[in-house]
Amino acid sequence: GQNIDQPTEMTATEGAIVQINCTYQTSGFNGLFWYQQHAGEAPTFLSYNVLDGLEEKGRFSSFLSRSKGYSYLLLKELQMKDSASYLCAVMDSNYQLIWGAGTKLIIKP
Amino acid sequence: DGGITQSPKYLFRKEGQNVTLSCEQNLNHDAMYWYRQDPGQGLRLIYYSQIVNDFQKGDIAEGYSVSREKKESFPLTVTSAQKNPTAFYLCATPRPGDTGELFFGEGSRLTVL
Repeated sequence: GQNIDQPTEMTATEGAIVQINCTYQTSGFNGLFWYQQHAGEAPTFLSYNVLDGLEEKGRFSSFLSRSKGYSYLLLKELQMKDSASYLCAVMDSNYQLIWGAGTKLIIKP
Repeated sequence: DGGITQSPKYLFRKEGQNVTLSCEQNLNHDAMYWYRQDPGQGLRLIYYSQIVNDFQKGDIAEGYSVSREKKESFPLTVTSAQKNPTAFYLCATPRPGDTGELFFGEGSRLTVL
């Protein structure tokens, strides 16, 4: 079966750096997405990786290793507004999205 | 501004009632999706439509129905046959092009009393 694993919850301190990991086992691979979802709201797109390596976008970076079935989202200079759930999703060989359950990130002052 | 709009944001229904959730987009996108989100689970695909007058079942279509009579509209009906309908429902449309990231509506939270 297809599976996406990410930690259920993480806690970090304002101003620090946090890394949220995602491992996947899917039928084929056509890209990996990260979304941010604040409580009670819809997800919003953060990043897309289809080739190995690091993609940087401001305070957020996303890394992909296809051979290891592994990605991480790196958040720098954490702000209180970064408290949210972070969803990892992989597009399989049929171009269907497989979603992880999300990682709830709690930022403490 | 272009976007995707869902309504209502909150909905309560009694057991045995059908309810319809609205999803409208003015992005001129062909594809539209309906997802269900439950605590502790990933998003699950209910139905999707790649073009007007055509739609396909997703992973959890039982107890749901859709229509796609107009490009901009993709309503979802939660029927009385859906055994556990209380959930957060999300409508989405992919951005045309290589990445295809999803634009989501604000979501509709359905509670069955």
